[in-house]
Amino acid sequence: DAGITQSPRHKVTETGTPVTLRCHQTENHRYMYWYRQDPGHGLRLIHYSYGVKDTDKGEVSDGYSVSRSKTEDFLLTLESATSSQTSVYFCAINAGQGAYEQYFGPGTRLTVT
Amino acid sequence: SQQGEEDPQALSIQEGENATMNCSYKTSINNLQWYRQNSGRGLVHLILIRSNEREKHSGRLRVTLDTSKKSSSLLITASRAADTASYFCATGLFNDYKLSFGAGTTVTVRA
Repeated sequence: DAGITQSPRHKVTETGTPVTLRCHQTENHRYMYWYRQDPGHGLRLIHYSYGVKDTDKGEVSDGYSVSRSKTEDFLLTLESATSSQTSVYFCAINAGQGAYEQYFGPGTRLTVT
Repeated sequence: SQQGEEDPQALSIQEGENATMNCSYKTSINNLQWYRQNSGRGLVHLILIRSNEREKHSGRLRVTLDTSKKSSSLLITASRAADTASYFCATGLFNDYKLSFGAGTTVTVRA
């Protein structure tokens, strides 16, 4: 998985609780992304980062926030989890500098009850 | 909104046969990529084709791109059971490192 780890790999939480997912890379890549994958929707971009403390919204950012205080870590936070946020979350990285391929982590399966 | 749409949604073939899937997109792109996802795993990059290229090969994979029709195809030749997976196309715009993914084609290779 190209030096990308995600934690936790599985989580069950209750509606209204805060949840933080972590993505860690060892490749020192500039770009990092958070996606969610739901049946019939493919992957949808939640937020992405183009450097330390530089982040921007994707197409489905409502209800999510992110932080990147170090190159290697990109955190996704659900401030108050809802059942509609039950999904599989993938982190990805990209080196930039004219390389457009993305490399994905193993995913985090989140269930909000 | 999703840029790419794959067709068909699902495909079942016999081992040794070829598998073809298509991707259509809506706006001008810089590059188009294909990814594979095995059940329960993350996506794996297969191949990238740039907007000024028409065809690209990688092992048993052949990708074509027709920018006038805004479409691409992925051909997997001599399929194997290990090719059973979901395949996604993703499009990238100029000066942009984000990708827009389609909903994918699920390929089942029967022994």
